[in-house]
Amino acid sequence: DAGVIQSPRHEVTEMGQEVTLRCKPISGHNSLFWYRQTMMRGLELLIYFNNNVPIDDSGMPEDRFSAKMPNASFSTLKIQPSEPRDSAVYFCASSLYQGAYEQYFGPGTRLTVT
Amino acid sequence: GNSVTQMEGPVTLSEEAFLTINCTYTATGYPSLFWYVQYPGEGLQLLLKATKADDKGSNKGFEATYRKETTSFHLEKGSVQVSDSAVYFCALGTGNQFYFGTGTSLTVIP
Repeated sequence: DAGVIQSPRHEVTEMGQEVTLRCKPISGHNSLFWYRQTMMRGLELLIYFNNNVPIDDSGMPEDRFSAKMPNASFSTLKIQPSEPRDSAVYFCASSLYQGAYEQYFGPGTRLTVT
Repeated sequence: GNSVTQMEGPVTLSEEAFLTINCTYTATGYPSLFWYVQYPGEGLQLLLKATKADDKGSNKGFEATYRKETTSFHLEKGSVQVSDSAVYFCALGTGNQFYFGTGTSLTVIP
């Protein structure tokens, strides 16, 4: 299995631009998670989906952030407009089911907003 | 509520030293427990897991035992190598939720 795939691996953009991060979960996994990691705040859960349905988006920082999962093999995290404080590494993870099942992480997207 | 507390870092050890990274948890019900490792520039990787009390998870020389009586899941390795330098995260999964600790940075010097 190819594991969780994320693209792009690196993104540099200017403040105010729209950014779209992409994720392909492991085939057969029913749950998908988006995390953000920074030195200051550590690893933060932004949102997670179960069977393509958003279950908990309480970690999404504000309305500038949105996430979709149109099918079982694809999810996007969009930031519009982007701000310098959004600079972070964004990880996508998937698991067989939510809860007590191990999560498998992608390599991350390093976002820099100037 | 549910939570995971792990020891503050950073931890610096000499090669071949013994490693312990403490992790304690608070949970309702019967959680599964995990250790993840993150090497520089990479995502988190599952290192080991335990799904019930007294289970021992092990991988790559690392071990952790699920202790219900002390609500702990401490990570140990008998002889660390330079290649073990990474950040280690303790995690708990229960019900519909998954919780990560804050991570402990380990540096192993030759």
